[in-house]
Amino acid sequence: DTGVSQNPRHKITKRGQNVTFRCDPISEHNRLYWYRQTLGQGPEFLTYFQNEAQLEKSRLLSDRFSAERPKGSFSTLEIQRTEQGDSAMYLCASSSGQIYGYTFGSGTRLTVV
Amino acid sequence: EDQVTQSPEALRLQEGESSSLNCSYTVSGLRGLFWYRQDPGKGPEFLFTLYSAGEEKEKERLKATLTKKESFLHITAPKPEDSATYLCAVRPEMDSSYKLIFGSGTRLLVRP
Repeated sequence: DTGVSQNPRHKITKRGQNVTFRCDPISEHNRLYWYRQTLGQGPEFLTYFQNEAQLEKSRLLSDRFSAERPKGSFSTLEIQRTEQGDSAMYLCASSSGQIYGYTFGSGTRLTVV
Repeated sequence: EDQVTQSPEALRLQEGESSSLNCSYTVSGLRGLFWYRQDPGKGPEFLFTLYSAGEEKEKERLKATLTKKESFLHITAPKPEDSATYLCAVRPEMDSSYKLIFGSGTRLLVRP
């Protein structure tokens, strides 16, 4: 297993465009998380899946954001009508239990111009 | 409100100069405290989990300790390759989602 994989690594988009990111978790992990990190800050929780069910969404996740995890495998995070304030690193993480910390992917850096 | 504060924001050390990073937390019951290392342009890398006051964990030059209000990450005789941002996070006891609340991190630079 190569860990948590995120694609693309970088995305530059024009304001108002839609973007979609993909996360492939560690195969035996049933929990998947999305976080957002801006420069100089720690990651902030966006949403959480257990298998295919989205069980919690942060208030940070406006109506323009949607996440899915079909069949409890990979996950996608879509941002519609991007704004400059959406520029950040989007991190995906997975875990299989509460004992150990998450395994994070390398993130997708989004720049909205 | 659950909160994590890390200090200092940045720390410059000479190679071999030991020091400590602080993580103060306010949480409605602690399920676990986590330390991560983050290199530029990469995701956080898990280092330690601490569960109860008095607990200590060690890994190479790093040692993490936990009290009821704070955690310390002690770095003994650091090397330039220890340069990174160190993040502290807590998992509140009453939270069912397993989400973590992170501090803003301490940027560590170790000069040769």
